[in-house]
Amino acid sequence: QSALTQPPSVSGSPGQSVTISCTGTSSDIGSYNRVSWYQQPPGTAPKVMIYGVSNRPSGVPDRFSGSKSGNTASLTISGLQAEDEADYYCSSYTSSKIVIFGGGTKLTVL
Amino acid sequence: EVQLVETGGGLVQPGGSLRLSCAASGFNYNPFWMSWVRQAPGKGLEWVANIAQDGSEKYYVDSVKGRFTISRDNAKNSLYLQMNSLRAEDTAVYYCARENWSCQDYWGQGTLVTVSS
Repeated sequence: QSALTQPPSVSGSPGQSVTISCTGTSSDIGSYNRVSWYQQPPGTAPKVMIYGVSNRPSGVPDRFSGSKSGNTASLTISGLQAEDEADYYCSSYTSSKIVIFGGGTKLTVL
Repeated sequence: EVQLVETGGGLVQPGGSLRLSCAASGFNYNPFWMSWVRQAPGKGLEWVANIAQDGSEKYYVDSVKGRFTISRDNAKNSLYLQMNSLRAEDTAVYYCARENWSCQDYWGQGTLVTVSS
């Protein structure tokens, strides 16, 4: 039940695009399309940004998109805005019937 | 509006017990799986446990198996987490979350559990 692997930090300038990777195994990301992404600004509860690999909940800007290839999922944020600065976490369902999270990625908007 | 409100956190000594509650409102509670997710101070998210709509299935992360018990009362739209044999490493903010196809789509504001002597 190891955590999914995310880069500790990414950064980009306003208007640019950034991609956050999330690497798992064939027992989680590789086998299920149950990958979600969460945004967590400091001191607040997480908010889902992407579910089911690439679906956006109502109210989430279309600047946020998700994808998956093999055992790796990705979150891409295009047209970066200052308000996007936050911690981002991926999660996946696993063959053990539990959910695991990634270690989190801190996004800095320069 | 979906609302999840956790209560029951606090300071407890190592080896002690605590029971967290989560009151759900603003949606039809019964059809949804529910889960607990925790976050140690300055650390990432850790999924703790979930429970099926009727309570017939429950799953736990290995680190809490045998010590924590998740339960629900559909008549009261409530979720619970009974935590026994608490350890310092259980110190965290505990979030109640609605689970939809393994996605935590709504979260509470969290309740802080501190395990310390």
